[in-house]
Parts: sequence; C-alpha cells; structure tokens
Amino acid sequence: DVKVTQSSRYLVKRTGEKVFLECVQDMDHENMFWYRQDPGLGLRLIYFSYDVKMKEKGDIPEGYSVSREKKERFSLILESASTNQTSMYLCASSLGTGRTDTQYFGPGTRLTVL
Amino acid sequence: KQEVTQIPAALSVPEGENLVLNCSFTDSAIYNLQWFRQDPGKGLTSLLLIQSSQREQTSGRLNASLDKSSGRSTLYIAASQPGDSATYLCAVRGSGYSTLTFGKGTMLLVSP
Repeated sequence: DVKVTQSSRYLVKRTGEKVFLECVQDMDHENMFWYRQDPGLGLRLIYFSYDVKMKEKGDIPEGYSVSREKKERFSLILESASTNQTSMYLCASSLGTGRTDTQYFGPGTRLTVL
Repeated sequence: KQEVTQIPAALSVPEGENLVLNCSFTDSAIYNLQWFRQDPGKGLTSLLLIQSSQREQTSGRLNASLDKSSGRSTLYIAASQPGDSATYLCAVRGSGYSTLTFGKGTMLLVSP
C-alpha cells in the first residue's frame, strides 16, 4: 500500500514565524502535491512537483514556497506565517501521468497561526 | 478554467436507502474523473476513477457514471450504511496534466 506521511497532525505557530510542513511518500512516486482545504472553499492546489528539484505553482502559491531535494520528500514552507494561513494542509503523491493515475493523500496537518 | 460543482452540499438519509450524489464540470476536455471519500479531520481516499473513454465504474455498493459531453458524473451508493457517513469529493483531471480540480464535496450522514 502507498503510504503518504505528514510530519505533524496539529501545529500551532505565531504570526511571522517560518513554518515547515514535511511530506514523505514511500512508493517512488514522480509527482507530489500540496493543497489547503478550507470550509466553503474546498481543496485548492498550492504547489506541485513532477521531479526532484522541480516545482510548479498551483492556484494559490502566494505566501508559500516548496522544496523537493529528494524524490520521496516534498516540503511546504510558509516564510512568514499569517493568520489567513490557518488551514488544513494536505499532501498527496501520484505515480506518473497515465490515464489511471490517482493521487494518494496523507492524513493532513491542521495549522493554526495565532 | 475548469470548475467543478457538487450537489447537494449535504445529505441526510436513513440507513438502507439508495442515494445519488451529483458532480458537474464546465470543461469536457478531461482526462479522467475521480470520486474520493474524506472522513472528518482525515485525508482523502480514492473510491473510483473513470477514464474519459469510460461510461461507468463499479466497486462493491458504489457505482460512478460519467457523461463527458454533458459535463456530469453521478456516484450511486446502494443500501447505505452508517459507515458511509463522510464527505464525498469529485475531482477532474485535465488532459496531459496530473493536477486535479476538486468540487467542494457532499457531506453525507447515514443514520441508523
């Protein structure tokens, strides 16, 4: 079974702090994704990566950056956390680009910025 | 830009009922469509994936259909159970890319 793990289930940070959210997958997947999920807005794609050291902006990249130094690890970075970044953050991975390719999700990190 | 809409936003049914969840999308040039399940406070689990050339997929009590030309998909759940209570999300993938566009989900409650 594919396993996607996220470093924390719950996280509380202060405004202005630098925040790192880590995601690791164990199935040698090419693609990795970061989403945020908010009530009434659904899941929105922040960034994704097709390969090591490669990144692409999603729909809402402002205020975030990412790092993919190794194939299995994809990090989301909040350079200076703000209260409007309080949200549920979900990481996902997928094998490639085939027609039956599906995304596997981690359990999520609920981030609160005070 | 692709937009995905799910109706209804919430649904409450007694155990044993058959039910239908609806999903519509604005751009019919899709690669595939997926239905996911999300339990409260958890990640998403893929239920069914329908390729653009397919009309339906079945898994146990779940059946998903796709009408690409009209931009619609339905998820049919037969003989609902309390354990089916969750939020169900529809997502479409555009041609050539791996990114998904999600609907906002239907929150289902099945009462004993």
